[in-house]
Amino acid sequence: GENVEQHPSTLSVQEGDSAVIKCTYSDSASNYFPWYKQELGKRPQLIIDIRSNVGEKKDQRIAVTLNKTAKHFSLHITETQPEDSAVYFCAAITGYSSASKIIFGSGTRLSIRP
Amino acid sequence: NAGVTQTPKFRVLKTGQSMTLLCAQDMNHEYMYWYRQDPGMGLRLIHYSVGEGTTAKGEVPDGYNVSRLKKQNFLLGLESAAPSQTSVYFCASSYKGSGNTIYFGEGSWLTVV
Repeated sequence: GENVEQHPSTLSVQEGDSAVIKCTYSDSASNYFPWYKQELGKRPQLIIDIRSNVGEKKDQRIAVTLNKTAKHFSLHITETQPEDSAVYFCAAITGYSSASKIIFGSGTRLSIRP
Repeated sequence: NAGVTQTPKFRVLKTGQSMTLLCAQDMNHEYMYWYRQDPGMGLRLIHYSVGEGTTAKGEVPDGYNVSRLKKQNFLLGLESAAPSQTSVYFCASSYKGSGNTIYFGEGSWLTVV
């Protein structure tokens, strides 16, 4: 079946450095790719998303890139700060007329070293 | 506007007991979902609903039942709890399906002993 692979599962970076998390999806019909941040003991919250007709999207220190041909998309966090420490999930969503299929990656635990 | 609320937040069950998790959303969303989250497994879809009176199976539906009698509520039932159902359960909702932001509840921590 369809799946989304997310790498790495854990990532530790020095405060101020950049972090990159990558996801690969299998369903070529996927057309919407959100990223969620989940702090310890809290709910996942949307931080950025991208649609299949766009190659890149930025929002301050975070950006997402999409390569439809290769079926992968990435989250980029620049100038990392301690509050960026969390688990990040990617998702690939395929839309149908009356339902949608949402597949989440297995998550990346990002730690920011002071 | 409370968003998505789940009750209870914490529960300990004995094997074989039954319980119901309640999810309520006040955003007039059509779609609602129940996920479970286990360490290293990400979020796995149990059941979902595309509107009042409809339900559908997700990735891991066995051992669970759901009902969507009212648009704002989505109930997840465990008829005979098993230790394998120890997990964190998240309810979520969205306006429609693809391309619309999914909003999550705060989670329900369930332990089956």
